[in-house]
Amino acid sequence: IAGITQAPTSQILAAGRRMTLRCTQDMRHNAMYWYRQDLGLGLRLIHYSNTAGTTGKGEVPDGYSVSRANTDDFPLTLASAVPSQTSVYFCASSLTSGGVRELFFGEGSRLTVL
Amino acid sequence: AQSVAQPEDQVNVAEGNPLTVKCTYSVSGNPYLFWYVQYPNRGLQFLLKYITGDNLVKGSYGFEAEFNKSQTSFHLKKPSALVSDSALYFCAVRVSLIGGSYIPTFGRGTSLIVHP
Repeated sequence: IAGITQAPTSQILAAGRRMTLRCTQDMRHNAMYWYRQDLGLGLRLIHYSNTAGTTGKGEVPDGYSVSRANTDDFPLTLASAVPSQTSVYFCASSLTSGGVRELFFGEGSRLTVL
Repeated sequence: AQSVAQPEDQVNVAEGNPLTVKCTYSVSGNPYLFWYVQYPNRGLQFLLKYITGDNLVKGSYGFEAEFNKSQTSFHLKKPSALVSDSALYFCAVRVSLIGGSYIPTFGRGTSLIVHP
């Protein structure tokens, strides 16, 4: 089934540990995004990539890094996790040509940092 | 800069009654406006979008939204609510920038509760 796959779906992590959230899409979308969702704050953009090989910072990039080695994969890394990074993380993708396109979202990764 | 406001954290409506979920926006270019729905423990799903043309756009599950440029609003509506419409609703805006990015900005979300 075409779409976005995120892994893991849920993870408990000790503070100071490194963590990579994986995101893979099979729709050949050029643009990909990482958002975090927190109660009362809605969705906030962490990092984005308009095409393979390029990335950009969103609203809340500190403590996170991304890479876009190919079209399909867009992993999000927390180099040294802190409790304030406890959140639900959503990966999304879209086309940015041929008209204005909507985003497709993964099912989310729930991360708890203790 | 672009921003989206959803002034109501929660909207309560009885099944069968019409519903409205409010959204206002602030952009410096032509706005592209979207509504998404999120069911519990799921990702967001696209409902509808306004690009240009008719101010009333129709989307999935019987939802529609009205674009009002003078009031900078894009309210989501449905003539007759269902209990199954209970979910979290997000308004989003993407600005058309020549040579720039199309980074979408989301509102904080409105929880819609439809009572039987």
